[in-house]
Amino acid sequence: AQSVSQHNHHVILSEAASLELGCNYSYGGTVNLFWYVQYPGQHLQLLLKYFSGDPLVKGIKGFEAEFIKSKFSFNLRKPSVQWSDTAEYFCAVSPTSGTYKYIFGTGTRLKVLA
Amino acid sequence: GAGVSQSPSNKVTEKGKDVELRCDPISGHTALYWYRQRLGQGLEFLIYFQGNSAPDKSGLPSDRFSAERTGESVSTLTIQRTQQEDSAVYLCASSLSITDTQYFGPGTRLTVL
Repeated sequence: AQSVSQHNHHVILSEAASLELGCNYSYGGTVNLFWYVQYPGQHLQLLLKYFSGDPLVKGIKGFEAEFIKSKFSFNLRKPSVQWSDTAEYFCAVSPTSGTYKYIFGTGTRLKVLA
Repeated sequence: GAGVSQSPSNKVTEKGKDVELRCDPISGHTALYWYRQRLGQGLEFLIYFQGNSAPDKSGLPSDRFSAERTGESVSTLTIQRTQQEDSAVYLCASSLSITDTQYFGPGTRLTVL
């Protein structure tokens, strides 16, 4: 069965620390990959996405993610976090063909200490 | 431009009552999804609609849950004989196609007493 794993459930960092959130998926075919973010009290919104091309994609607010096909991974990174990055981050995978399954990971709660 | 809207924003109901949650997707979005987010947990897929195709109901947790969508517009999620474990935030999202970016509504917070 298709699945998405986010191994870090809770992350606490100080401001200016570097961030890497892991995302691994299980699916043998071609996929679209997404990171969504939910700031406290706000809607879920798209942070960045990968459909094809350069496996290093850049999103809003200085976030980037790298698709490594051989590792089935799409890790999210930010060189220097800010207090305002405190939020919950969800990785999602969508196969490009076959039956629909848009699968979300269970999320990672990030808390950045000022 | 209008985003995805959901109503009501909050719903408190008594155990055993039926509730109906509404979602208005972005105009032109053919795909519509319902998710459940329990406190402290991730997104749980419930059902999705894609154009005129039969909906994928594989995520519905029991036969007390049902959903309808009129064409490519409004969708309603109905929960019959609510139970306390149904308490959660119910999120709706829409997208241009089933593999594209999803745009989420603000959710309906359901509390079953």
